[in-house]
Amino acid sequence: KAGVTQTPRYLIKTRGQQVTLSCSPISGHRSVSWYQQTPGQGLQFLFEYFSETQRNKGNFPGRFSGRQFSNSRSEMNVSTLELGDSALYLCASSLLGRYNEQFFGPGTRLTVL
Amino acid sequence: GQQVMQIPQYQHVQEGEDFTTYCNSSTTLSNIQWYKQRPGGHPVFLIQLVKSGEVKKQKRLTFQFGEAKKNSSLHITATQTTDVGTYFCAAMYSGGGADGLTFGKGTHLIIQP
Repeated sequence: KAGVTQTPRYLIKTRGQQVTLSCSPISGHRSVSWYQQTPGQGLQFLFEYFSETQRNKGNFPGRFSGRQFSNSRSEMNVSTLELGDSALYLCASSLLGRYNEQFFGPGTRLTVL
Repeated sequence: GQQVMQIPQYQHVQEGEDFTTYCNSSTTLSNIQWYKQRPGGHPVFLIQLVKSGEVKKQKRLTFQFGEAKKNSSLHITATQTTDVGTYFCAAMYSGGGADGLTFGKGTHLIIQP
């Protein structure tokens, strides 16, 4: 079974721009969660989607948004980028939801200049 | 929001020595997961503990869940260079929501040959 894939793997943007990241979960998994990972804050939960519905949203500003398509693929969007948005963005898929075993993708390394 | 404390932040050991990381919560957990992230990699699920006082073993790794379900530990016996990485606990709280699953900041295991 193919693992979780994320595109692109690396991204360099400048302040004020917007970015869209993509995640394809493991086949059959309907839950996709997004996390931001930084050295200082660790792994922080952004949001979870299950069957195209947002289940939960973490404590991030409205500049961070996401969606899930009928094939379970998910995208997250960050508008008006700030320097502090530089991080590794990880998505994780799960059969039953994030309270069960999660399978993480390789991540997208976003650098904001 | 809910917080889980993970200690130590860094642990240097000689190859062959034992290693332990601890996760502590001020409130009762529903259950707890453990993940490992190799340098440059993504988190990989190790185990989930559900029952009070539960102890599970995976080869040289021993996972424990406290009797009060407020703490957990991961112990590695006779570390090997392949054990290098960051070990995270992910604490689950009843009630769900955005704080329903909170990751510790991780323990970085550094092994000196």
